[in-house]
Amino acid sequence: DSGVTQTPKHLITATGQRVTLRCSPRSGDLSVYWYQQSLDQGLQFLIQYYNGEERAKGNILERFSAQQFPDLHSELNLSSLELGDSALYFCASSVGAAESNEKLFFGSGTQLSVL
Amino acid sequence: DQQVKQNSPSLSVQEGRISILNCDYTNSMFDYFLWYKKYPAEGPTFLISISSIKDKNEDGRFTVFLNKSAKHLSLHIVPSQPGDSAVYFCAAFNAGGTSYGKLTFGQGTILTVHP
Repeated sequence: DSGVTQTPKHLITATGQRVTLRCSPRSGDLSVYWYQQSLDQGLQFLIQYYNGEERAKGNILERFSAQQFPDLHSELNLSSLELGDSALYFCASSVGAAESNEKLFFGSGTQLSVL
Repeated sequence: DQQVKQNSPSLSVQEGRISILNCDYTNSMFDYFLWYKKYPAEGPTFLISISSIKDKNEDGRFTVFLNKSAKHLSLHIVPSQPGDSAVYFCAAFNAGGTSYGKLTFGQGTILTVHP
């Protein structure tokens, strides 16, 4: 158990809909990262928040947004969903902002299926 | 643009033998490399890492070798055990840049260790 909690574990929805994925980091961790793993792809970095503020951005679509709340949990919002958004979405956390060689601790992921 | 590549989707090894997983990268700015292991229905877990100032790092049965001139790294597992059967992801990071922990992952290699 990594200590990172993601809910829900599975999500099935239709095209055009909006969903929210939730992540609670390990106790004491200030950074939260979101990654997307599509079929046959490695994990693709989406976005990082550190202590409530956006820290780094990857190839995150404009239809996607995220935020980190004062209690440090994070939500990833996916809107106007398309079939291609079907993927496994991982959240990870680390103690600091990861300027140095910090390990990331990953949750078990949310499997999103867009039908 | 796949900056980190794991060209072998799968590897099958006999218990007790050596497993060698390979990874190539194209971005010369990467200066820190990690291997993560992933079991089904779980998130990736950190296994071992290496800084670009080293060419080898060892941790128990796991050794990572880095060849900077070839932009190649490999993970050796000796001896291999059935419990090592998992997906192994190579990841790279520009610790000296402003990526703040943005890891670039390869596609993963499925390792199967047969008893």
